[in-house]
Amino acid sequence: TQLLEQSPQFLSIQEGENLTVYCNSSSVFSSLQWYRQEPGEGPVLLVTVVTGGEVKKLKRLTFQFGDARKDSSLHITAAQPGDTGLYLCAGAPNNFNKFYFGSGTKLNVKP
Amino acid sequence: KAGVTQTPRYLIKTRGQQVTLSCSPISGHRSVSWYQQTPGQGLQFLFEYFSETQRNKGNFPGRFSGRQFSNSRSEMNVSTLELGDSALYLCASSPTSGTYNEQFFGPGTRLTVL
Repeated sequence: TQLLEQSPQFLSIQEGENLTVYCNSSSVFSSLQWYRQEPGEGPVLLVTVVTGGEVKKLKRLTFQFGDARKDSSLHITAAQPGDTGLYLCAGAPNNFNKFYFGSGTKLNVKP
Repeated sequence: KAGVTQTPRYLIKTRGQQVTLSCSPISGHRSVSWYQQTPGQGLQFLFEYFSETQRNKGNFPGRFSGRQFSNSRSEMNVSTLELGDSALYLCASSPTSGTYNEQFFGPGTRLTVL
């Protein structure tokens, strides 16, 4: 059983569409991070959220941390083929670098 | 600044052998974490080292071990390899051991056990 559940597992959309990826847990996290991973490479950190209710924007990406710090979402506006990849959320329940990762969402944006 | 480097990038071993993987963190980073990534289990935390001490450990058998040197470089060792150990092993470095620090991942070592 994963500590963090991500949905959907797979997403195939057309360029220009919007999408939202969810990361849910019954546990409380001190912080939550989102990564993007491309084949053959390590995950690249996109954002860290630490405060319940926090919203962070990174160009076309919007990240939200739930008020109770148990869940998070990633919203992409006007997706582009360059957004294609595996999106991972990772949460740390305490103040050490022991992160639990979600199973990931494979996003494919078709031109 | 150079990123996290891992060597080797690819490795093929047979069951029963042992393997050592190496990770060089970003200069100045003192925390190194190791993860195993498989299609079935996803990314799973192995252990974290900070200032040559193991700070955190995941739920892996004792065949998986690691160490960190005074220059923060880290090695991970897997003894008596099993087929199920085939995976991408990722190393991540952070400036210090703390939740609010970013983790920077290396490209990984792809281990295949035959």
